[in-house]
Amino acid sequence: DTEVTQTPKHLVMGMTNKKSLKCEQHMGHRAMYWYKQKAKKPPELMFVYSYEKLSINESVPSRFSPECPNSSLLNLHLHALQPEDSALYLCASSQVGGGAYEQYFGPGTRLTVT
Amino acid sequence: DQQVKQNSPSLSVQEGRISILNCDYTNSMFDYFLWYKKYPAEGPTFLISISSIKDKNEDGRFTVFLNKSAKHLSLHIVPSQPGDSAVYFCAASGTSGSRLTFGEGTQLTVNP
Repeated sequence: DTEVTQTPKHLVMGMTNKKSLKCEQHMGHRAMYWYKQKAKKPPELMFVYSYEKLSINESVPSRFSPECPNSSLLNLHLHALQPEDSALYLCASSQVGGGAYEQYFGPGTRLTVT
Repeated sequence: DQQVKQNSPSLSVQEGRISILNCDYTNSMFDYFLWYKKYPAEGPTFLISISSIKDKNEDGRFTVFLNKSAKHLSLHIVPSQPGDSAVYFCAASGTSGSRLTFGEGTQLTVNP
């Protein structure tokens, strides 16, 4: 099973709202990732969690707040977003340690900020 | 500085023929390379990977070739099928694997 699930599939929020994106995997992977993808562009890495600890933050604005409650779950809390934050938000997971491994992506959450 | 480049934004081939997608990289520290396929409004799907210790990896209709001296890799799809029509991303990472660097993608269209 190489499935990563994400909820919700679509989200529309105002600039003053607070919302959360959720991601789950049951592959036993200990690394989880958040990416942002704009139309016709490659995915851009935002955050990496390794063994439930934040290991990489790609200078993401504080209005995006990641959380990894356990090894299977990854959340992205959103607050006071801007219209330019509208994008497809992708979660991914992979094995960790001893080399490089392929990352498996979820279907994404299409976020629209109004 | 774009470390992974896919110079062809689009490629069109006939069903049954070979599709060849190309990718170049500049960072000598990259030693693991991957291809992903992406349909609109979906997440990227992992297709095939290759480690720098190999020069070829094959999985069914998909073969990836790596030329380390030229810092070039290619994905061959044989035979191409209409369902292969998607955007293909090349990606690279170093030994830690935590950070994937993606190319800009190539839109493949396979015509019936």
